[in-house]
Amino acid sequence: EVQLVESGGGLVQPGGSLRLSCAASGFIFSTHAMNWVRQAPGKGLEWVSSISPTGDDTYYADSVKGRFTISRDNFKNTLYLQMNSLRGEDTAVYYCANRWNFDSWGQGTLVTVSS
Amino acid sequence: DVVMTQSPFSLSVTLGQPASISCRSSQSLLYIDGFTYLNWFQWRPGQSPRRLIYQVSKRDSGVPDRFSGSGSGTDFTLKISRVEAEDVGIYYCMQGTHWPRTFGQGTKVEIK
Repeated sequence: EVQLVESGGGLVQPGGSLRLSCAASGFIFSTHAMNWVRQAPGKGLEWVSSISPTGDDTYYADSVKGRFTISRDNFKNTLYLQMNSLRGEDTAVYYCANRWNFDSWGQGTLVTVSS
Repeated sequence: DVVMTQSPFSLSVTLGQPASISCRSSQSLLYIDGFTYLNWFQWRPGQSPRRLIYQVSKRDSGVPDRFSGSGSGTDFTLKISRVEAEDVGIYYCMQGTHWPRTFGQGTKVEIK
């Protein structure tokens, strides 16, 4: 059974940084693309970033480009999202999802950017 | 960016009655490999999103057969043949053909 468990969320001040993790199990992590999607309070789903199976190719939404970095450790079966220069509009539940077609999703981790 | 436009914004349905959600894309979602990467997701409050349909019409494992997807090019539809109480939630379409990936704004399904 596919399991994706996000962690690392919390309260951070504007301009601060946070690193999210997504621990994967139940599938061959190193052979599948991974994604981050977020949902701001009362808003819809927003794609944030994707990464190829090897990590060689990364993709970002314009709203986070230059501030967020997606990466993965295929030995630890873990996906990461390094978030810098955080803004209030980054406040959201962040989900990881596996494969190019977003097959399975984790339970999400809440990031709150506020002073 | 490809804009995904869903309609209606919300739907109030009697139990056992059908429901239909439209999703239109601003560009064709047909990829050069011949596949059309249009997904449908269900989000229930307090839960994580769940994919129901991928590649327009392929139902995910465990998804009841009352859910069906159809369409091509820029025009897609999710149908629920007989709405049940557990179908309450918000439904999103998402295109996986073009970068950046984009979602529709969501359609809220309620029971009348």
